[in-house]
Amino acid sequence: TQLLEQSPQFLSIQEGENLTVYCNSSSVFSSLQWYRQEPGEGPVLLVTVVTGGEVKKLKRLTFQFGDARKDSSLHITAAQTGDTGLYLCAGASKGTYKYIFGTGTRLKVLA
Amino acid sequence: GAGVSQSPSNKVTEKGKDVELRCDPISGHTALYWYRQSLGQGLEFLIYFQGNSAPDKSGLPSDRFSAERTGGSVSTLTIQRTQQEDSAVYLCASSRITGELFFGEGSRLTVL
Repeated sequence: TQLLEQSPQFLSIQEGENLTVYCNSSSVFSSLQWYRQEPGEGPVLLVTVVTGGEVKKLKRLTFQFGDARKDSSLHITAAQTGDTGLYLCAGASKGTYKYIFGTGTRLKVLA
Repeated sequence: GAGVSQSPSNKVTEKGKDVELRCDPISGHTALYWYRQSLGQGLEFLIYFQGNSAPDKSGLPSDRFSAERTGGSVSTLTIQRTQQEDSAVYLCASSRITGELFFGEGSRLTVL
């Protein structure tokens, strides 16, 4: 069974602080995605990474895919209250379109 | 509609009753996924469809759960003889053959 473990599970920080969320697995993924979910809504895609070692930036968010394509990280610089939400990673193995989601990181940014 | 539509948005039922949850994917999306989310946690994979076929049903929790998709479009997730542990938000997503999953707002199921 493929498992995607995220850490930390919960994170509460002050506006302006930096943070990193981790997504780890023992399985190799052909692609890995990060989503953000707000209460009462479905997750919304932030980024897709497909190449080992790949780094993508989306404004204040930096995403990295591990060299072995088993892990990923999301770094937020100068967090804002609008970053509050549930962050989910999701991976698909080669040859399959079955996306397995991580355990989730609930982020709260305080003003 | 422009997005993935799920119905009902809320369903309260009694233990032992059957329920049907419906998902209308984005037009032209060949892949359709069902996930279950409990207490705002991560998403538990249930099943996915490519067209009308379900290559992977391994996530269905028991034989009380079944799903079908007709015409490469609408999908129905059926839970028979509901149990309290079935209470959760059931999320549907659709996508082109690879790429971004577009999610509906979910169907919140409460089993009393």
